[in-house]
Amino acid sequence: QKEVEQDPGPLSVPEGAIVSLNCTYSNSAFQYFMWYRQYSRKGPELLMYTYSSGNKEDGRFTAQVDKSSKYISLFIRDSQPSDSATYLCAMSAGSQGGKLIFGQGTELSVKP
Amino acid sequence: GAVVSQHPSRVICKSGTSVKIECRSLDFQATTMFWYRQFPKQSLMLMATSNEGSKATYEQGVEKDKFLINHASLTLSTLTVTSAHPEDSSFYICSASDLRDWGTDTQYFGPGTRLTVL
Repeated sequence: QKEVEQDPGPLSVPEGAIVSLNCTYSNSAFQYFMWYRQYSRKGPELLMYTYSSGNKEDGRFTAQVDKSSKYISLFIRDSQPSDSATYLCAMSAGSQGGKLIFGQGTELSVKP
Repeated sequence: GAVVSQHPSRVICKSGTSVKIECRSLDFQATTMFWYRQFPKQSLMLMATSNEGSKATYEQGVEKDKFLINHASLTLSTLTVTSAHPEDSSFYICSASDLRDWGTDTQYFGPGTRLTVL
């Protein structure tokens, strides 16, 4: 079993839809949670960072962490074609020299 | 802020040659730099972690003599693929942790280098 599970998709939604992306994990020591967006043939771009449980909002993006369920989510409101990319969740326990454990990535396509 | 550059963005070389990829943090000092490899439609595979002035720590299964990493300063790390072969063709991405984000494990990624070995 992988430490971090993420549905690879692909996920296709119409423009304007609310998108929900999720990851589950097995290591209860994880306390730092990140979402990265990666466009094709580019490096990942940090979207959201959350420490421990709770919600964090930034514009159209909301990150949620539920440590009791070992489940994290990223919501995208009013999705745009420019949001079409692969979204990677990443997390760490803060005790392994800064190493991140990544999910497989979910490929999202927002259709105009 | 937190911009990481990589050079070159794309390189094509003949089998048996060595290729050097540079990773620079442009507007911050990096406590640690990471090197990843990514195959199409797959997630990132960590190859090694490097700290300025010390030897890199390689992940299991990564040949340290083939993938040489030098972390000369707080803003520069290099990856050299020695005696490259077609199976080394891949997308190589570096990342860096900002000294100011110490303790958060946040990594900022470069744009990647696509290596094609003929």
